[in-house]
Amino acid sequence: KQEVTQIPAALSVPEGENLVLNCSFTDSAIYNLQWFRQDPGKGLTSLLLIQSSQREQTSGRLNASLDKSSGRSTLYIAASQPGDSATYLCAGSRGDYKLSFGAGTTVTVRA
Amino acid sequence: DAGITQSPRYKITETGRQVTLMCHQTWSHSYMFWYRQDLGHGLRLIYYSAAADITDKGEVPDGYVVSRSKTENFPLTLESATRSQTSVYFCASRPLASTDTQYFGPGTRLTVL
Repeated sequence: KQEVTQIPAALSVPEGENLVLNCSFTDSAIYNLQWFRQDPGKGLTSLLLIQSSQREQTSGRLNASLDKSSGRSTLYIAASQPGDSATYLCAGSRGDYKLSFGAGTTVTVRA
Repeated sequence: DAGITQSPRYKITETGRQVTLMCHQTWSHSYMFWYRQDLGHGLRLIYYSAAADITDKGEVPDGYVVSRSKTENFPLTLESATRSQTSVYFCASRPLASTDTQYFGPGTRLTVL
């Protein structure tokens, strides 16, 4: 069973600072790794999906890396804005369409 | 409206009552999923379905029943609600292509008294 851990559980930064969110997983036979954003009272929105054959994905200010050998993924958010305040979850898949989620990191960006 | 919807958005019930949470998607996605989200646990898979009339258990299926008679609907039933089933429930869907992500509904907040 894939165990996914996200540390820290919460993070507060001033506007403009770069954000680094960490995700670790136990099974190196990961098929893909996804990062989601969740706003309070809302569902999850996919941010980035990294296939096992890839090392990173980028979308605008967001960049996610995947290191299967160390069992880690990192989400970087450049030049954070108050609108980036949300909970960020990572999820791993073994290719059977089932996702194993971390508990998430709640980010607050202070104006 | 296109997308994935859940109803009701909020539900309060009592221990022992049967409750059904509805999920509807307009994309004709093959796969549908039910998760529960509890503080400190992230999302845990309850049941999933690969197609109409095909369902399978996830990580925490006890106390829940699902059905999928039509591709677009995937209701989740709590046969006899317990307080431990107080949670936020999310439905999700995805197409068959393995490179695609899951698309989540807005969630149903269920409180069992």
